[in-house]
Amino acid sequence: GENVEQHPSTLSVQEGDSAVIKCTYSDSASNYFPWYKQELGKRPQLIIDIRSNVGEKKDQRIAVTLNKTAKHFSLHITETQPEDSAVYFCAASKGAGKSTFGDGTTLTVKP
Amino acid sequence: DTAVSQTPKYLVTQMGNDKSIKCEQNLGHDTMYWYKQDSKKFLKIMFSYNNKELIINETVPNRFSPKSPDKAHLNLHINSLELGDSAVYFCASSQDGGETQYFGPGTRLLVL
Repeated sequence: GENVEQHPSTLSVQEGDSAVIKCTYSDSASNYFPWYKQELGKRPQLIIDIRSNVGEKKDQRIAVTLNKTAKHFSLHITETQPEDSAVYFCAASKGAGKSTFGDGTTLTVKP
Repeated sequence: DTAVSQTPKYLVTQMGNDKSIKCEQNLGHDTMYWYKQDSKKFLKIMFSYNNKELIINETVPNRFSPKSPDKAHLNLHINSLELGDSAVYFCASSQDGGETQYFGPGTRLLVL
């Protein structure tokens, strides 16, 4: 089955700095790669996603890049703010309910 | 209007009991999921149910069973509860193809 590895498990940055979280996947049939943000005590919510026919996608301060050949994708957050502090999960999916999540990254943005 | 709802929000029970958690989605999605999130925050999929096909994570004990009365509901039944079952359980749904998952608010289960 699919295996998704996510690094780092914890990340601490100063407000205004950039943060990068990386994920690798094993199944070349995976074609959809979402990122979810989970604030403390809340549910995970989608913040950005990318499909296998696209190499990069950007939405304001967040961007995701995908390298299909190397089977890795990354989340980039620029100009971090304290409200970006949360647990971030990557996932790899090949449709029909077959999704695998990474183990999560706890991001702390220090004011 | 809540997209994915779960009841109850909190569940405190004794070891050995049987309990159920209900999940409903009003998004018209055709795939529903159950996840377990433990104290280390790992989000582990337990089941996905898509067009009457059940995909089970092989690590899930058979004390856990999903039941879907219709496309909008996927309930989770747990028999003979154990201390290690204490966790937050999230229900989610997606539209196949889109695969963005919409999560419910979670049910915090505490087994004493």
